[in-house]
Amino acid sequence: AQKVTQAQTEISVVEKEDVTLDCVYETRDTTYYLFWYKQPPSGELVFLIRRNSFDEQNEISGRYSWNFQKSTSSFNFTITASQVVDSAVYFCALHSSNTGKLIFGQGTTLQVKP
Amino acid sequence: EPEVTQTPSHQVTQMGQEVILRCVPISNHLYFYWYRQILGQKVEFLVSFYNNEISEKSEIFDDQFSVERPDGSNFTLKIRSTKLEDSAMYFCASRGGAQETQYFGPGTRLLVL
Repeated sequence: AQKVTQAQTEISVVEKEDVTLDCVYETRDTTYYLFWYKQPPSGELVFLIRRNSFDEQNEISGRYSWNFQKSTSSFNFTITASQVVDSAVYFCALHSSNTGKLIFGQGTTLQVKP
Repeated sequence: EPEVTQTPSHQVTQMGQEVILRCVPISNHLYFYWYRQILGQKVEFLVSFYNNEISEKSEIFDDQFSVERPDGSNFTLKIRSTKLEDSAMYFCASRGGAQETQYFGPGTRLLVL
C-alpha cells in the first residue's frame, strides 16, 4: 500500500524561527516522486518542489530546504527564518509512476506569528 | 505562465441536483485529474484521465460521477445527483509527460444544501 504520513497536525512558531515539517512515506514502487505543496488560506494548491527517488541530493531554494532520505523513507521540509506569509497548510505527496495519481498526507498547518 | 483554470469558483446547489465543474488544463498537457478536499481534510484523488479515457478512479468516484473532455480544451466533472457529503473543494490538475509535476487549478468550492 502507498501512504504518506505527516505526523505534525499543527505547528506554531514566531517569525524568524526555523521550522521543519516532517513527511514519511510508504511505497513498494522502485521509481516514484515526492512533492510538497503549499495551501495558503485562499485555498489553492501551490507546487513547491518535486524530488525523484533516484535523487537524494538535498536542495535549498532561498529560505526553503528539503531533506530526502530514502533509508528512512522521509522527505522533510525546512523553512528558515519563517515569515508570517509562510502561514499555510503544507502537504507532502507521493506520485506513483505506475498510476500517476498523487497520494497526499494529512497536511501540516503552519502558523507563523509576528 | 500557463495555468490550470476552473469555473465556477463557488457553486451552491440543492441535494439531488446535477452539477458540472469545469476545468481548462494547461494546453500541451496530456494527463488530467480531479481531486477533492473536504473542509479541513486532506486532498483525495478522484479520477485520472489520459488519451480520452479514465486511467484510474478511486472508490469515491462512483456511478454518480463522470468526466469528459468534450472539445480538446475543457475537462469536466459531472455529479449527477449531489449529496450533502459531496460538499468539498474540487481541484483539477494536469501534467505534461509521464514524469512531470501536476499543476493544480484554484479549485471549485461546492456546497450542497
